[in-house]
Amino acid sequence: KNEVEQSPQNLTAQEGEFITINCSYSVGISALHWLQQHPGGGIVSLFMLSSGKKKHGRLIATINIQEKHSSLHITASHPRDSAVYICAVNLPGNAGKSTFGDGTTLTVKP
Amino acid sequence: NAGVTQTPKFQVLKTGQSMTLQCAQDMNHNSMYWYRQDPGMGLRLIYYSASEGTTDKGEVPNGYNVSRLNKREFSLRLESAAPSQTSVYFCASHFNRAGLDEQYFGPGTRLTVT
Repeated sequence: KNEVEQSPQNLTAQEGEFITINCSYSVGISALHWLQQHPGGGIVSLFMLSSGKKKHGRLIATINIQEKHSSLHITASHPRDSAVYICAVNLPGNAGKSTFGDGTTLTVKP
Repeated sequence: NAGVTQTPKFQVLKTGQSMTLQCAQDMNHNSMYWYRQDPGMGLRLIYYSASEGTTDKGEVPNGYNVSRLNKREFSLRLESAAPSQTSVYFCASHFNRAGLDEQYFGPGTRLTVT
């Protein structure tokens, strides 16, 4: 069983919809990252969280340390949001090594 | 800042050939990583370097060697390529200080071994 589980694996939405992607992990962590990967493209770090909530534009990320759970929300989704979203966790004192979820493939239709 | 750069972007090798993937970062980060990404699987750590002069194995190190030439550069070498090493390879660097914990990824190298 992967230490980092994401759901759903695939998600299709209509433009404008509110989207939620979930990430659960089974170990204590020092930080959690949300990454975005466009088809054929590189990987971009969206957020780093160790507690609470962060917002950047239409993206919101939350983390509940006690429940070992994080969510990534996209408001007013747009076709350009179509990408793979990856959750990654860093273990304490682990030289910054990350363990990655398998990713959620999001498709936003116009 | 160029961030994290990788060369080459694409490479085709025959089984048994060798090659080195180059990675450099200009952000003065201590930690650097090599990952591979295969269809339907998450990123998997091949090797990492917590600081200049140190390297350690990750989850899938077999068939690879690395060299942390200096703080900027971290190269990945395939001594005898195998079809199972067909993958997309990402280099990354890591920054952790004063409550900030960030990762930066290179654009990737798409490697095909025939």
